[in-house]
Amino acid sequence: EVQLVESGGGLVQPGGSLRLSCAASGFTFSDYWMHWVRQTPGKGLVWLSRIHGGGITTSYADSVKGRFTISRDNAKNTLFLQMNSLRTEDTAVYYCVRSRFYYYHMDVWGQGTTVTVSS
Amino acid sequence: DIQMTQSPSSLSAPVGDRVTVTCQASEDISNYLNWFQQKPGKAPKLLIYDASNLETGVPSRFSGSGSGTHFTFTISSLQPEDIATYYCQQFDNLGHTFGGGTKVEIK
Repeated sequence: EVQLVESGGGLVQPGGSLRLSCAASGFTFSDYWMHWVRQTPGKGLVWLSRIHGGGITTSYADSVKGRFTISRDNAKNTLFLQMNSLRTEDTAVYYCVRSRFYYYHMDVWGQGTTVTVSS
Repeated sequence: DIQMTQSPSSLSAPVGDRVTVTCQASEDISNYLNWFQQKPGKAPKLLIYDASNLETGVPSRFSGSGSGTHFTFTISSLQPEDIATYYCQQFDNLGHTFGGGTKVEIK
C-alpha cells in the first residue's frame, strides 16, 4: 500500500524551529517528486515547496523562501521540511504529498501533521 | 505569480442536480490544472488532472474541461457522498497555486 506518514508537528514559540518528517512506503521513493502543502484552520490549501526525486532541484513559495528548507533521504524513504523563524501565521496542518509525471499530479497525500506557532 | 480565482465559494444543491464550479487563471496555463476533493478532516484527493482527465477510480459523474485561463469542474448528478470542498490547482515551473475552494452542500 502506498502511504505517506508525517510526523514532527507540535507547539513552538514564534521565532522557533521545527523539523517535519514524512515516511514513505509502498513505492520507489526516489522516483518521485515530493511536496509540502499546508492548510490553515478553516482555510484553503497553500503549496510550500517541492523537491526532485534525486534531491537536487527544489522550489519554494515566496512566503517560506529563506525560512523553510525541503530535503530528502532516499536511503531512508523520508522527506523533511526544516522550518526556521516560525511565525504565528505558519500555524497549519502540513501535508506531505507525492506527485507523478514530474511534479504535475499530486496523487498521494499524507494525513497531515499539525504545527502551532504560539507564545 | 499565477492567481487562481474559483467560484462560487460555496453552493447548495439537491441530490441529483448538476453542479458546476469555475476556476479562472490570471494568465494562460494551457491545461496545467488539477481538481481536488477534500472531505472534512481528510487530506485532499486528486479527481481530475490536466484539466479533463479523470483519475483512476473516480466516478464518471465528475468531469473537467477548459484550457488557457478558464476551467470548469462538473458533478453531473450530485450524490450525498460528494459533500466536500473542491479545489482547482495550477502548476508550472515556478510552483503550484490552489484556488480558494468551493464548499458543496446538499439542499
